[in-house]
Amino acid sequence: QVTQSPSSLSASVGGRVTISCRASQNIHNYLNWYQQKPGKGPNLLIYAVSNLHDGVPSRFSGSGSGTDFTLTISGLQPEDLATYFCQQSYDTPRGTFGQGTKVEI
Amino acid sequence: EEQLLESGGGLVKPGGSVRLSCGASGFSFRSYGMHWVRQAPVAGLEWVASITSTSSSIDYAHAVRGRFTISRDNAKNSLYLQMNALRPEDTAVYFCTRRLDYGDHWYFDLWGRGTQVVVSS
Repeated sequence: QVTQSPSSLSASVGGRVTISCRASQNIHNYLNWYQQKPGKGPNLLIYAVSNLHDGVPSRFSGSGSGTDFTLTISGLQPEDLATYFCQQSYDTPRGTFGQGTKVEI
Repeated sequence: EEQLLESGGGLVKPGGSVRLSCGASGFSFRSYGMHWVRQAPVAGLEWVASITSTSSSIDYAHAVRGRFTISRDNAKNSLYLQMNALRPEDTAVYFCTRRLDYGDHWYFDLWGRGTQVVVSS
């Protein structure tokens, strides 16, 4: 099980956003992050804690290990309005998702 | 362009059945494990079911085991989800998604736009 916080946040353009994800057990570095914009399917942002997927801007970064993980957006842009989900991939094939964090600009 | 396109959703009565389809294009469908993930209204993402590239291994979430059946037809580049004995709590947007393995890790690197299933009398 993974728990995300906060459930929503509001930040200014150019600001810094931090989203936390906590696992109920040690999942090592088996943690992915997704972005979902309204009315669309999710898109992969980061895999294995800190690896940016192809085409993802460098303002996105991930960190953490074990049970505590963080997604950071440095220099928030209007197009970053979305909901962000973490997902543990330690338990295969069941990839449990966090509850999501809605980012408002 | 790599693409997944879901279809088959709609309004279904409790206890009813529906079959979702997911058509794949732009990549070698037979090479990938595929999953269904759902999202209830104003809610998070819930993993539903998975199937390996050759259909050799299949798994389900506890909430749908015994009622849903995942399958695929590699010749038709298609993934399916047969949903029986539907309940109101099955109401959700259903996404098909492709699993990509990277060393010891895996993740969902391609998603469709989803198809809406509403279970209501």
